Amino acid sequence: QSALTQPRSVSGSPGQSVTISCTGTSSDVGGYDFVSWYQHSPGKAPKFMIYDVSKRPSGVPDRFSGSKSGNTASLTISGLQAEDEAEYYCCSYAGDFYVFGTGTKVTVL
Amino acid sequence: QVQLQESGPGLVKPSGTLSLTCGVSGDSVSTNNWWSWVRQPPEKGLEWIGEISYSGYTKYNPSLKSRITILLDKPKNQFSLILTSVTAADTAVYYCARHTGRTFEYWGQGTLVTVSS
Repeated sequence: QSALTQPRSVSGSPGQSVTISCTGTSSDVGGYDFVSWYQHSPGKAPKFMIYDVSKRPSGVPDRFSGSKSGNTASLTISGLQAEDEAEYYCCSYAGDFYVFGTGTKVTVL
Repeated sequence: QVQLQESGPGLVKPSGTLSLTCGVSGDSVSTNNWWSWVRQPPEKGLEWIGEISYSGYTKYNPSLKSRITILLDKPKNQFSLILTSVTAADTAVYYCARHTGRTFEYWGQGTLVTVSS
């Protein structure tokens, strides 16, 4: 199975919005509503931001939102803040196993 | 607060066996969750390795399945990863995590394992 495809990097100024895409196939992203997103900073443990495509756990700012259309899931960060600068990974259930995305570096200009 | 901590050798010889343990505190490995392993090779993305349920049922990454065993140790409240016939491609930071079935909710800090002679 191949990793889900994400853009290598996205950037935006503080206050702007950025969207990260996560493209898979009908066997993973398109086939199940079990897509989650993780924020990963160097030297730290990954932190889950979104689960079940669009659900946000308590403690995660509502600036983070998720969606899905067909085989592509998306994470949008609205009102970008300096603390949002990190690597972001999507993850999808693929029928008895899980596959992560290639990762996207978010840079706050 | 749930905490996970990886432990094990940081250096493994090629063709050898990688063994890591994840100690769990703040929760019991007997609760209705999955206990997972994820790794990140240098300069690469995250890769799901596999997981074990509270009842001992396992799921493995198909690309690694022939080399992986994940075990549960309820008395010690920990779980472990065994990866055989390692090569340089297995060099990575290895993370353990608690998986609810929907999300990898809690993660360890990760431990670097280098495969080298």
